[in-house]
Amino acid sequence: DGGITQSPKYLFRKEGQNVTLSCEQNLNHDAMYWYRQDPGQGLRLIYYSQIVNDFQKGDIAEGYSVSREKKESFPLTVTSAQKNPTAFYLCASSTTSGRDYEQFFGPGTRLTVL
Amino acid sequence: RKEVEQDPGPFNVPEGATVAFNCTYSNSASQSFFWYRQDCRKEPKLLMSVYSSGNEDGRFTAQLNRASQYISLLIRDSKLSDSATYLCVVRGYGQNFVFGPGTRLSVLP
Repeated sequence: DGGITQSPKYLFRKEGQNVTLSCEQNLNHDAMYWYRQDPGQGLRLIYYSQIVNDFQKGDIAEGYSVSREKKESFPLTVTSAQKNPTAFYLCASSTTSGRDYEQFFGPGTRLTVL
Repeated sequence: RKEVEQDPGPFNVPEGATVAFNCTYSNSASQSFFWYRQDCRKEPKLLMSVYSSGNEDGRFTAQLNRASQYISLLIRDSKLSDSATYLCVVRGYGQNFVFGPGTRLSVLP
């Protein structure tokens, strides 16, 4: 089955630690995205990538880093510089061709800083 | 002004009711429009794309008014399983997806 996988589902981190969230897709999509969602809030874009080896900052990139070495993978690192990292992190992918294309989401990773 | 705004909610309706959600967007160059559904503590899932001619999928009807920069979603004969948060999503040509804050719906027995 085609889809997007994220791991782990739940992640606990001590303050001062970096953590990496995994996102893999087998939909052959060119574009991948990372969003953050806080309780009762909408989705905010952290980073996105439209092609391998290229990515751009979204609205709230400070304290995060990404890489896009393979088309299928777009890992997100939450660094110790992110002051309030506890949130629900969602990865998405989409094609970039055509006019009306939608995003597909992974199941998310819930990060808690202890 | 936020790029995409939605009714603040929550909406609490009895089973069988008809409920309408409204959404406005600020970028007149926006080209693609969607309604997503998000269940509690889950990822958003596409409910339907929205076209200028309007479109219907069973009990769900979506409308787009480009002149007013307004999108709507109508749910007829609400079911308990319709309880979720409904997200309005807009995308400009070659641009990223912009999500509204969502409107939460609770369908009551």
